[in-house]
Amino acid sequence: GAVVSQHPSRVICKSGTSVKIECRSLDFQATTMFWYRQFPKQSLMLMATSNEGSKATYEQGVEKDKFLINHASLTLSTLTVTSAHPEDSSFYICSARTGGTNYGYTFGSGTRLTVV
Amino acid sequence: DAKTTQPNSMESNEEEPVHLPCNHSTISGTDYIHWYRQLPSQGPEYVIHGLTSNVNNRMASLAIAEDRKSSTLILHRATLRDAAVYYCVAGGNYGQNFVFGPGTRLSVLP
Repeated sequence: GAVVSQHPSRVICKSGTSVKIECRSLDFQATTMFWYRQFPKQSLMLMATSNEGSKATYEQGVEKDKFLINHASLTLSTLTVTSAHPEDSSFYICSARTGGTNYGYTFGSGTRLTVV
Repeated sequence: DAKTTQPNSMESNEEEPVHLPCNHSTISGTDYIHWYRQLPSQGPEYVIHGLTSNVNNRMASLAIAEDRKSSTLILHRATLRDAAVYYCVAGGNYGQNFVFGPGTRLSVLP
């Protein structure tokens, strides 16, 4: 089945630094990928939709200059958290639409970001 | 995506069937109904999805109401490993976002 690989699984960074999270579709091409953020005991919140070869579409309230998304190829999307602060600490999850007539979605295993 | 409502939590005994309800009264005719579950510190895992007809797979069954305004995820024999947060999502067609509601936290008692 379709697999989405997300890396790293957890990262700790110092306040003010930037962190890049990678999301790869391993056995299929993903023209559209999605980035979510999840705080403890809450649901997934959609941050942005990443489209291959074009600018990402951000949800209301998500700072595009803080959360940089790049989708340069059909199998890779990256999320860079710039100038990270402790309030950016969260669980970040990516997903990709596997396409076909069933509109399936596959999710990565998530990245636990802790900003100290 | 159509808004979905689910109970916040449910409890089941091990090896008994579990019926997890979901209301999606604003669903459009082309919206699929998807179910995912999430274990702590993991990404959501696909469970099942359907459009109009009931669906069965090795994990679960999906019963869709005739008017498609509600659906029920059925776990035929709950195990401790089924304890998770279950999300129902209606929509996700091309051009739409895949938006999660609060989900149902299922506890399975031994």
